[in-house]
Amino acid sequence: TQLLEQSPQFLSIQEGENLTVYCNSSSVFSSLQWYRQEPGEGPVLLVTVVTGGEVKKLKRLTFQFGDARKDSSLHITAAQPGDTGLYLCAGQTGANNLFFGTGTRLTVIP
Amino acid sequence: DAGVTQSPTHLIKTRGQQVTLRCSPKSGHDTVSWYQQALGQGPQFIFQYYEEEERQRGNFPDRFSGHQFPNYSSELNVNALLLGDSALYLCASSPGLPNTEAFFGQGTRLTVV
Repeated sequence: TQLLEQSPQFLSIQEGENLTVYCNSSSVFSSLQWYRQEPGEGPVLLVTVVTGGEVKKLKRLTFQFGDARKDSSLHITAAQPGDTGLYLCAGQTGANNLFFGTGTRLTVIP
Repeated sequence: DAGVTQSPTHLIKTRGQQVTLRCSPKSGHDTVSWYQQALGQGPQFIFQYYEEEERQRGNFPDRFSGHQFPNYSSELNVNALLLGDSALYLCASSPGLPNTEAFFGQGTRLTVV
């Protein structure tokens, strides 16, 4: 079983603050994806990282894949209320099924 | 272009009953995966269908079964429902190539009473 643990599980911060969410596993994945999920909806893909050590930036979001392709982090700069949601990391195997982490529920307070 | 569509959006069933959930993949996608997301948790992989056959399966009992039709749409069937089967059931579609993006539907919220 390929398990992904995310931390923290819950995060409540003030608008304008920075935050980092971590995703750790003992397994190696061919790629790792980050999703954001709103209540009552399916997850929406934010980014896919493939190469060990890879860093991708999406506006105020920075994603990093660990050198050994077992862990990843998501850093948000100057968080805004619109960033509120459930953030999920998911490791992907070659067969395209996803192993999701436990999720981090972020609340950004105006 | 319609994305992944699932039906129904909400469903209430009684313990012991059977349920069928439906999914239409995004245009051009031939692979459909199903996930179960319990409240407050991340989605858990149930199984994946490709070319009308179950290609991979997660750690779910045989009460969970599925089907894929020639038009790539898919059904998830759950027999002998338990209270613990209450969850959001998500369908994701992708092209039949490794390491490609999966697109999710909005899910079906199943409540077992």
